[in-house]
Order: sequence, then C-alpha cells, then structure tokens
Amino acid sequence: GAGVSQSPSNKVTEKGKDVELRCDPISGHTALYWYRQSLGQGLEFLIYFQGNSAPDKSGLPSDRFSAERTGGSVSTLTIQRTQQEDSAVYLCASSAVGAITDTQYFGPGTRLTVL
Amino acid sequence: AQSVTQLGSHVSVSEGALVLLRCNYSSSVPPYLFWYVQYPNQGLQLLLKYTSAATLVKGINGFEAEFKKSETSFHLTKPSAHMSDAAEYFCAVSVSRGSTLGRLYFGRGTQLTVWP
Repeated sequence: GAGVSQSPSNKVTEKGKDVELRCDPISGHTALYWYRQSLGQGLEFLIYFQGNSAPDKSGLPSDRFSAERTGGSVSTLTIQRTQQEDSAVYLCASSAVGAITDTQYFGPGTRLTVL
Repeated sequence: AQSVTQLGSHVSVSEGALVLLRCNYSSSVPPYLFWYVQYPNQGLQLLLKYTSAATLVKGINGFEAEFKKSETSFHLTKPSAHMSDAAEYFCAVSVSRGSTLGRLYFGRGTQLTVWP
C-alpha cells in the first residue's frame, strides 16, 4: 500500500496475556518509530529503528516491552504480561531516512484494551 | 531537553472565524517544529513543518504557522474555519542532536470544535 499500515486495528486482551502489534512502513523508508497515545500521558515515543537496528529504545516503559524489525521493513511491538496501564493506542510512523526534518508518516494505530 | 506546550486543550470557533492554536517549545538546540492533525480513529497527518528555511510556513488546508524564536512559539492559524477542520491538533518538536534524529516530542494536543 501507499501508506503505513498497522494490524490489528483493535485488540482486546486479558491482563497477563502477551500481545503482538504489527507495523508495515512505507516501502523504502529506513526509519521507523513507535509511539503510544494515551489519555493520561499524551503521545509518547517508545522506540526508533534505523534499518533493522534500534539505536534508541529509551522510551520503552518496562522490560515487558520489546520490538524488532526484519528485512528493513515490517516491525513488531510485543508486550508481555500485559497490564491495564498498557491500554492505549499504539502508533507507528516511518520516514525516508530519519533526518530531523523528515516528515513522519503515521499509521492509523492499534487500539489496545487490557481487561 | 525538548518540550512542547499547547495552551488550551479545547478551542471552539464559529465557521468562518479565525483559528488560532498556540504552541510554545523549549529546546536546548535549534528546533525543528511540526503541526500534525488527527481525525477520529485515524493516524496523524502532517499539516506543516518549520525547518529553518522560512519563519512563516504554509501548510495544507489553508493553515499556516510562524516561527518566533524570541517568543519560542510556533502558533498555528487559519483565517477562516471550516466544519471539516474539527479535529485534534498536535504541535511537535524534533531533536537535532543525539542518537535519535527525528524523534518527535509532542504537545498534549488541542481539540478544535467548529460551530456552524
């Protein structure tokens, strides 16, 4: 597709379960970002990929959160042993090369609800 | 450190009225500034960005913003509001140093309501 896609669009899970969120960036974009949007915290940076490497993981809130990117394309954000405070919309964005002036193109997000 | 403050979590205007959404930033290095719009159940879409080429930046849908270094501001304006402008607007600053070039720091957002 022409834009960033994310799946699933909605995910409801029970506390303690693991979840995987997927992001398909724009083809050819080397930079990929994950953000989290919640009522209490607004939009927060989670992790940045340049190619398959993640030089900045400083936004991941705990060691229950991890992410990987393969083939310089698809990225998966995994949350283990989900907690209710993990409920949020998880947004993925990609940009051409990750330059400071690059436009980041956002996907529609995955709404995660932890019961 | 970088931060963004958006004054007013909610702004209401009548259709045809001026839209003014305020954004102030704090940055220890030269900032690059962005305005994004988010419609319900959608991702963020870029409205415009300041990259030091010109202080008055024009974006899509008739929006523009002026970078004022002395005031550390980047307010978003539109001369005449349209019903379709109703959405949430986010101001963001991008870091220019460090390991994560392009990482965005967002304000808390301003919900714009347009009355007929």
